[in-house]
Amino acid sequence: DVKVTQSSRYLVKRTGEKVFLECVQDMDHENMFWYRQDPGLGLRLIYFSYDVKMKEKGDIPEGYSVSREKKERFSLILESASTNQTSMYLCASSSGGSTYNEQFFGPGTRLTVL
Amino acid sequence: QKEVEQNSGPLSVPEGAIASLNCTYSDRVSQSFFWYRQYSGKSPELIMSIYSNGDKEDGRFTAQLNKASQYVSLLIRDSQPSDSATYLCAVIRRGGGTYKYIFGTGTRLKVLA
Repeated sequence: DVKVTQSSRYLVKRTGEKVFLECVQDMDHENMFWYRQDPGLGLRLIYFSYDVKMKEKGDIPEGYSVSREKKERFSLILESASTNQTSMYLCASSSGGSTYNEQFFGPGTRLTVL
Repeated sequence: QKEVEQNSGPLSVPEGAIASLNCTYSDRVSQSFFWYRQYSGKSPELIMSIYSNGDKEDGRFTAQLNKASQYVSLLIRDSQPSDSATYLCAVIRRGGGTYKYIFGTGTRLKVLA
């Protein structure tokens, strides 16, 4: 079974802090994704990566950056957390390289920024 | 117009009935279609994928795809209270040599015991 893990289930941070969210997958998937999910807005893509050291902006990249130094790990960084970044953050991975296959999600990190 | 549209619900069905969830998509070049189930406070879990026109069955779940009419549906037979969740439709669209996942905002299903 595909396993995608995220470093924290719940996180509370203060405005202005730098926040790191880690995601690890164990199925040798080429593609990894970061989403945020807010009530009524659905899943919104922040960044994705289809290879090590590669990254592409999604629909809402402002205020975020990512790092993919190893194939299995994809990190999301909030450079200076703000209250409007309070959300559920979901990491996903998929095989297939440039031809996408179904995504598998991690358990999510519920981030609260005070 | 949203690229993937779902009725937000809630869709309420009695236990044992068939639940029918629908999804329409706007881009004809969409080529892969998925249904995810998401329980409250949890992450989406893949339950069905479908790639060609027609029906695909897996246990109590049947996915139906009609590319000409640009809709995909999910039928849940013998609905159980444990099926109460939000169901997300997802589409892979190919354009300009790139692929993009598009998710609907989900339909909330309530199965009444």
